Amino acid sequence: KAGVTQTPRYLIKTRGQQVTLSCSPISGHRSVSWYQQTPGQGLQFLFEYFSETQRNKGNFPGRFSGRQFSNSRSEMNVSTLELGDSALYLCASSPSGTGSHEQYFGPGTRLTVT
Amino acid sequence: GESVGLHLPTLSVQEGDNSIINCAYSNSASDYFIWYKQESGKGPQFIIDIRSNMDKRQGQRVTVLLNKTVKHLSLQIAATQPGDSAVYFCAEGGSGTYKYIFGTGTRLKVLA
Repeated sequence: KAGVTQTPRYLIKTRGQQVTLSCSPISGHRSVSWYQQTPGQGLQFLFEYFSETQRNKGNFPGRFSGRQFSNSRSEMNVSTLELGDSALYLCASSPSGTGSHEQYFGPGTRLTVT
Repeated sequence: GESVGLHLPTLSVQEGDNSIINCAYSNSASDYFIWYKQESGKGPQFIIDIRSNMDKRQGQRVTVLLNKTVKHLSLQIAATQPGDSAVYFCAEGGSGTYKYIFGTGTRLKVLA
């Protein structure tokens, strides 16, 4: 099975712009979660989607949003970018409904805001 | 690409020795705990998990211990190998959710 894929892998944006990141989960996985990783704050939960519905949300401002499509692929969007949004954005997929809590992470998208 | 903090606590272990990585978690109501390994330039990789109704769980060369009284989690790696060099994170969460709170991480360095 192919793993979780994220595109693009690297991105450079300017303050005030907006960005969309994409995540393709492992085939058959219905849950997709997004995390932000920075040296200062570590790994922080953004949101989780299951069957096209946001099931959980972390403590991030409304500039951060996401969605999930019927094929379980997910996108996250950050509007009005700030310097502090520079981070590695990780997507993780899970089979869900199996009782397992195992999450499979993608390699991440490295976002740099200048 | 570098993906984790530069000032993480570091554990240096001689190859072949056992490693113990510790983690204090925050929420006494957390039901699920997971250990992840993250190598440079990669996303975290699942190692082992444990439910709150257990004290110990063993996997291949790894053992996780849970002490709910003091909200402490540990990961023991037997016969540490160079390939074990990475940053290790603990994560806590509730049942029925994939919303996890991650610890700050520990960098494990295996000395040849």
